[in-house]
Amino acid sequence: QVTLRESGPALVKPTQTLTLTCTFSGFSLSTTGMCVSWIRQPPGKALEWLALIDWDDDKYYSTSLKTRLTISKDTSKNQVVLKVTNMDPVDTATYYCARMFNWNPPDSWGQGTLVTVSS
Amino acid sequence: DIQMTQSPSSLSASVGDRVTITCRASQGISNYLAWFQQKPGQAPKSLIYAASNLQNGVPSKFSGSGSGTDFTLTISSLQPEDFATYYCQQYDSFPYTFGQGTRLDIK
Repeated sequence: QVTLRESGPALVKPTQTLTLTCTFSGFSLSTTGMCVSWIRQPPGKALEWLALIDWDDDKYYSTSLKTRLTISKDTSKNQVVLKVTNMDPVDTATYYCARMFNWNPPDSWGQGTLVTVSS
Repeated sequence: DIQMTQSPSSLSASVGDRVTITCRASQGISNYLAWFQQKPGQAPKSLIYAASNLQNGVPSKFSGSGSGTDFTLTISSLQPEDFATYYCQQYDSFPYTFGQGTRLDIK
């Protein structure tokens, strides 16, 4: 059974760096074709794709956010970490991680974690 | 970036109805199109990949079609649990992009 769970601070201050961790089970990121994506959703708004890391440690980022995003993995811990620098109130959102396999779209999602940016 | 445009943005329908949601890509994406369902307070659920293939466990009342730039999601015989927001996503090229969503509510 595939499960993913996001964790991190619920509240960050403007200009701070957000660090989110996706801890998963039921699959390995060392398996050829396996990927994990981060997606976010501001309250009441649409989904926004942020970043992806694949089994070979290749990384892909949102065009508008790529200067602020860093995605990394720890295969031994079954974790993927997303860092977002210089947080702003407009970054307030629920952040999801999701599994992808063989370049297919996400087939399993975490429950999401709400991050609020406020001083 | 490839822009994904859904129509309509919102839709009212009755139980038992059949509805169709459209998704248009700003450039050709072959069949690299997915559909997701999201209910309030929940994570998205994957419905369809490769434009027309149902994810495991998704009922056949959901169907998708299209290729290139124009795609549709059709839901037949609407039931109360189908009222939700639906999103399309292209995964033809990075950065992946979502449509703005279509909210389906009960008339």
